[in-house]
Amino acid sequence: DIVMTQSHKFMSTSVGDRVSITCKASQDVSTAVAWYQQKPGQSPKLLIYSASYRYTGVPDRFTGSGSGTDFIFTISSVQAEDLAVYYCQQHYISPPTFGGGTKLEIK
Amino acid sequence: QVQLQQSGPELVKPGASMRISCKASDYTFTSYYIHWVKQRPGQGLEWIGWIYPGNVSTKYNEKFKGKGTLTADKSSTTAYMQLSSLTSEDSAVYFCARWDRYDEYFDVWGAGTTVTVSS
Repeated sequence: DIVMTQSHKFMSTSVGDRVSITCKASQDVSTAVAWYQQKPGQSPKLLIYSASYRYTGVPDRFTGSGSGTDFIFTISSVQAEDLAVYYCQQHYISPPTFGGGTKLEIK
Repeated sequence: QVQLQQSGPELVKPGASMRISCKASDYTFTSYYIHWVKQRPGQGLEWIGWIYPGNVSTKYNEKFKGKGTLTADKSSTTAYMQLSSLTSEDSAVYFCARWDRYDEYFDVWGAGTTVTVSS
């Protein structure tokens, strides 16, 4: 199975800051990567698909980039409501696999 | 709007079996894959498998073969996952999610069903 590694389990930031979360695939997954946001007690919510496309209704402060094995998810100006765990996920090769998640903490 | 409504929390004894439901509404049930995902407390997301209600085909994560069985009822637009021989390792929240096969993402998720295995 393809392993998706999010090297930071926790990231601490302040409102208004720019923050980037990285995700590395154990092999080439092209751009078949999505990013999800999971707030406490909720189900995951799609933010980014195909590595860099923003899903309908997602604020433009959320962006994604990358291809091959290295991917970055960025929040350009963090808001208090962005407190959540963020997961990358590949679907290039079955089974689809998720990164371990990065919990964003707001100072 | 498009929704996946999951059944309520379950408390089950070790060794038992149980079934979780995921009722789809406001879209063509037979045109989208339904996937199931496991999340243990404080842990990440683990893919279990999918079912395509259009032809009732299924695919499973090798790790969950024999543990989970996926079915679907077109008449009630409901997908099901049966979990068998439950142990404490099966205590988790289980999500169903709709897969958009054209743009390739999970665009709609159920709220999750909490399964607690305890004697």
